[in-house]
Amino acid sequence: EVQLVESGGGLVQPGGSLRLSCAASGFTFSSYDMHWVRQATGKGLEWVSAIGTAGDPYYPGSVKGRFTISRENAKNSLYLQMNSLRAGDTAVYYCARGLDYMDVWGKGTTVTVSS
Amino acid sequence: QSALTQPASVSGSPGQSITISCTGTSSDVGSYNLVSWYQQHPGKAPKLMIYEVSKRPSGVSNRFSGSKSGNTASLTISGLQAEDEADYYCCSYAGSSTLWVFGGGTKLTVL
Repeated sequence: EVQLVESGGGLVQPGGSLRLSCAASGFTFSSYDMHWVRQATGKGLEWVSAIGTAGDPYYPGSVKGRFTISRENAKNSLYLQMNSLRAGDTAVYYCARGLDYMDVWGKGTTVTVSS
Repeated sequence: QSALTQPASVSGSPGQSITISCTGTSSDVGSYNLVSWYQQHPGKAPKLMIYEVSKRPSGVSNRFSGSKSGNTASLTISGLQAEDEADYYCCSYAGSSTLWVFGGGTKLTVL
């Protein structure tokens, strides 16, 4: 069964850091681009970052310079290092598989940035 | 404000058809046939319903269809069923600088 399982969410103070993980199973992880997408409570989806099969990272302006996406193919794992966190980063963070579309999604992990 | 514009809500009765629009610009929807649509039930992860404008993944009902004209993409659901009630999001590739943009989402109510 193709599956993505996120972990690492929690409560962090403004300005703090957090590292999210996404464990993949049931498919050849190294052959797929991967994404992080977030959703604040009651709000829409927001693309956060992507990484290509060669490890090339991509970010929107809202997180560029603060977030770092990485992958470890030997461990079938995707990561998101989040620094300088702000209240506006509070959301459920999903990892998703895909190149031109996101065909498999995890259930998400919740990040709360608050003092 | 989301990069792609969707109506906040649409509604229809069981058996009817509805269409959800997704309006972008010539830099995203208008330039690439890389529009996808996602269904999200409350408290659940999004589910891919349409990719590359009009293609359906295996297992998705043929009641769901997609199209595009100019800078606007559309999702049509025919023969509405109660289980179709959910939020729907469009997404488009937007070039090498922005990469991916989502719409603000549309809440579908089946009356």
